[in-house]
Parts: sequence; structure tokens; C-alpha cells
Amino acid sequence: EAGVTQSPTHLIKTRGQQATLRCSPISGHTSVYWYQQALGLGLQFLLWYDEGEERNRGNFPPRFSGRQFPNYSSELNVNALELEDSALYLCASSIRVMNTEAFFGQGTRLTVV
Amino acid sequence: AQTVTQSQPEMSVQEAETVTLSCTYDTSESDYYLFWYKQPPSRQMILVIRQEAYKQQNATENRFSVNFQKAAKSFSLKISDSQLGDAAMYFCASSTGANSKLTFGKGITLSVRP
Repeated sequence: EAGVTQSPTHLIKTRGQQATLRCSPISGHTSVYWYQQALGLGLQFLLWYDEGEERNRGNFPPRFSGRQFPNYSSELNVNALELEDSALYLCASSIRVMNTEAFFGQGTRLTVV
Repeated sequence: AQTVTQSQPEMSVQEAETVTLSCTYDTSESDYYLFWYKQPPSRQMILVIRQEAYKQQNATENRFSVNFQKAAKSFSLKISDSQLGDAAMYFCASSTGANSKLTFGKGITLSVRP
């Protein structure tokens, strides 16, 4: 069974540009979560999507947005990139709620120069 | 709001020995779940062990076990018979039924000495 897949693996952007990160959940999982892992800050919750709708949002500015498609895959968009957006972005999927086991992808390393 | 605190940034253990990683948490919810995740250099987060707060019995998964002290809001991970492959960053995390998101601690880097 395929795990959670994220693309691209690495992404380099310049300040002010937009970045789009993609995530495909495990088959049968309807919930997708996005986390930012910046150096020294641990994992910070970004967004939770379930059944195509945004269910919860972390303490991030509106330039962080996303969506979930009918096949439950998801995109994370970061507009007007800033240097401090450089981080590892992790996607996780689970069956409906996080209290069951959540499976993580290998992440997208975003570097803003 | 939930908070998870891992106060030790690094630990080291001799191969085949036992090590305990500490974690404390705070939540106002009565229904919550606690987790330990492992993140090796490959970056993939892997669930090590999970504990439901309503269960008094400590969770165990092979060489991994937890010491769940609900009153003290403490959730430590014990790794027995440490192996070189256990070297990784370990994150303690909590979630509640209400908002479902995982709240993570800052992690601890575990090294295993051969």
C-alpha cells in the first residue's frame, strides 16, 4: 500500500514568489494535515482538511492557504514568500480524525532565497 | 489550548542499554490522546506509540513503553535494549477529540553509541 506522498521533495524560491506543495494521502484516508517544521521550532500545525473542507487552521497568516480535492489530495500554497518560510513542510493523513494513527509523508523542503 | 514540553534537547545511550525520554503536557480537555513519534534522518515521521488518556494501563510496543502519569501530566518514553537504528529525533505530541490536530513538543535528539 502506498504511503503519503509529497511533491516536490525540494523547492527553491525567491522572496515574494509563490510556492505550491502537494500531498497525496493514503487510500481511504479523508483527512489531510499540514505542518511546518522550521529549524529549532518543532512542528507547527498549519491546516487540517477533511472531506474537501478546511476544518481547523493554525496561527499562520492568510498567505498560507490550501485546498483539498475530491480525491482527497491536497495543495498547500504559500504566497508572498518570506525568508522565514524556509522549512520542511510535512503532510499527514488519517481516517477522519487525528486521534487514530496519522501517517506522515517525507516532506517538502522549501528554501526561500 | 494544549501545550507539550520536552525540556531535554539531546540524549545519548549506549547500545543495548535503556533510555527514558521525558515529556510533560497540559490540556483542559478530559478526552485526549498522547503520542511519541520518531523522525530519522530520512525525515519521515513514524508513530512509535500511542496512549489514550482514559486508559490507566501504560501502552507498550515491543521495546518501547510509556510511563503515563495523568495527575502529573507526564508521558515519558522508555526504550529498552537500544539499537543503532533508534537514533533519531523523537517528538512527544497530544491531540484532543475536539480539534483533532496534533500539538508537538520541540523534540529530542537521541544518539546511540555502539
